Formats: sequence, structure tokens, C-alpha cells
Amino acid sequence: SQTIHQWPATLVQPVGSPLSLECTVEGTSNPNLYWYRQAAGRGLQLLFYSVGIGQISSEVPQNLSASRPQDRQFILSSKKLLLSDSGFYLCAWKAGGYSPLHFGNGTRLTVT
Amino acid sequence: SQQGEEDPQALSIQEGENATMNCSYKTSINNLQWYRQNSGRGLVHLILIRSNEREKHSGRLRVTLDTSKKSSSLLITASRAADTASYFCATDEGSNYKLTFGKGTLLTVNP
Repeated sequence: SQTIHQWPATLVQPVGSPLSLECTVEGTSNPNLYWYRQAAGRGLQLLFYSVGIGQISSEVPQNLSASRPQDRQFILSSKKLLLSDSGFYLCAWKAGGYSPLHFGNGTRLTVT
Repeated sequence: SQQGEEDPQALSIQEGENATMNCSYKTSINNLQWYRQNSGRGLVHLILIRSNEREKHSGRLRVTLDTSKKSSSLLITASRAADTASYFCATDEGSNYKLTFGKGTLLTVNP
């Protein structure tokens, strides 16, 4: 069966520090991969998605970037965090076609 | 941008009652999906309904889709305290790749 791992679960970082969140998927190949952010009490905002290695689509211009160095690995990064980067970050994968998203357990990022 | 918008934003009911949540969207879709999120956790997929379907059932869940009104509803019958969660609709906006989520409905089921 397929599983998705996302870490760390919580992170507290000072303003201006770098960020690296990692997500890996097991049990499937060539998944579509996604990073969403959820502000407190709000819906999910799609940040990046990838349909293949090295292919990244950015939905919202911002202080973040994403990379897909391997088929089942998706990384969210920032060189310098802003207070506004605080939030709940969710990684997800889906198979091709009209199929559901499968989410990780999320990372709670607090920028202080 | 928010494609789907759920209504109401919050709903509080007693155990055993039915809960109905609505979702409206703006553009053409291939499918609409409903997800559940327990506090502080990732989302879990509940049900997918294709644009050519009008109703779909899964256990105590019933989803309807009206593409002419660009709306969907999620009905949870005989609710339980364990159904307490946020519920989101998501649409694909005609894309194979992207799902856009609404802001969700917070359902509280009181024992």
C-alpha cells in the first residue's frame, strides 16, 4: 500500500532563517506531488505541484520554492523565512487522472 | 483563488442528527471531491463524484452534484461524536492535476 511521510511535525524558526520541509511517498511510482499551506481557520492554498522529476509548477509567487530531486521526494524550501510564512504545511500525492489526493500529517511551522 | 465555497462555515448538531454541508463553485469541473480534516491533521478523502453523476453514496455519506447550479452537498446521516471535524470540498477546475479547496465547514457533533 502507498504511504506518505512528511517531517518534521512541528517547527519553530526565527525570521530570516532557512527552511527545508521534506515529503516522501512509498508504494507508487511517478506520483503527482503537491505542497499546500493552511492558515489558521482557513482553507488550503496550493503552493506548488509537480507531475514529474524536476517539473515544478508554482501557484503563488512568494518566499518559498519547491524541488523534486527524486520521483517520490518533494522538498519545500525558503532561503529566508518571513513571519507570514507561518502556517500548516501539507504535502500530498495523487495518481494520474481524476483521482483523490492523499495527504501527509502536515508540518506546523511557526516563524518567530 | 478559492474555487469552492462551503456553507455553513460552522455547524453544531446533536449525535444522531443529520448534517448537511453545501459547496458552490465557479468554473466547469470534471469532478468534485469531499475531504475531512481532524484538528491538526492532514485531510482524508471521503468521496469523489464525477461531473456526469448526480448522486453518490458511501456508508453514511451522501453527496449530490448539480452542475447547472455549480453546487454540491454532503449529507452525513445519523451523526456521531467522532464525525466532529472540518469538511472541505475540492474541485479540479477542469485540470488533471490541480485541486482547489474551499475554506471548509467545521462540524461539531455533541454527544
